[in-house]
Amino acid sequence: DAGITQSPRHKVTETGTPVTLRCHQTENHRYMYWYRQDPGHGLRLIHYSYGVKDTDKGEVSDGYSVSRSKTEDFLLTLESATSSQTSVYFCAISKQTGNNQPQHFGDGTRLSIL
Amino acid sequence: AQSVTQLDSHVSVSEGTPVLLRCNYSSSYSPSLFWYVQHPNKGLQLLLKYTSAATLVKGINGFEAEFKKSETSFHLTKPSAHMSDAAEYFCVVSDSNYQLIWGAGTKLIIKP
Repeated sequence: DAGITQSPRHKVTETGTPVTLRCHQTENHRYMYWYRQDPGHGLRLIHYSYGVKDTDKGEVSDGYSVSRSKTEDFLLTLESATSSQTSVYFCAISKQTGNNQPQHFGDGTRLSIL
Repeated sequence: AQSVTQLDSHVSVSEGTPVLLRCNYSSSYSPSLFWYVQHPNKGLQLLLKYTSAATLVKGINGFEAEFKKSETSFHLTKPSAHMSDAAEYFCVVSDSNYQLIWGAGTKLIIKP
């Protein structure tokens, strides 16, 4: 398995609180991604990073921000969590971009916003 | 724009019988296509990928998929299902910005 660690693995919090999820990789891959997974939707891209301090928005970026200060860490922040952000969040990495490059995934973080 | 449609939300087969999971895609150029598998409460694992080298792609655990441009399909098959194949399977296409577009998933149920 690719060396990807997501933390925490589970979190329950209240509406309006800030939440930060961490993705740590040991592969030294340039590209990192945050997805959310909801029933009936597959995975949807929130934000991605193509290098330290280089990030861009994905399909469902509203309400989320990211930061990448080191190659190995990619943080996803919900500034003020809402119940619609209850989901399973996956981090992924890839060595390069290009349309034949697979992504490798962490085990996910299950986030519940009450 | 690229899109992916997995034609069945659930597929149920008996152990030892063939598996067919259907995927259609739409793309304005020659796409790259992937199948991923997700076991319960686990992350996603790459099963196989198509990148125009060969239309029949072999993956892990005995799965294979055939790219058919004329039918815009990339169906996943396995000759004989095993109980350990019970999982959710995702068909994925890479778009023109190299982002992955995911199908909604097909849950594969294996009956003893």
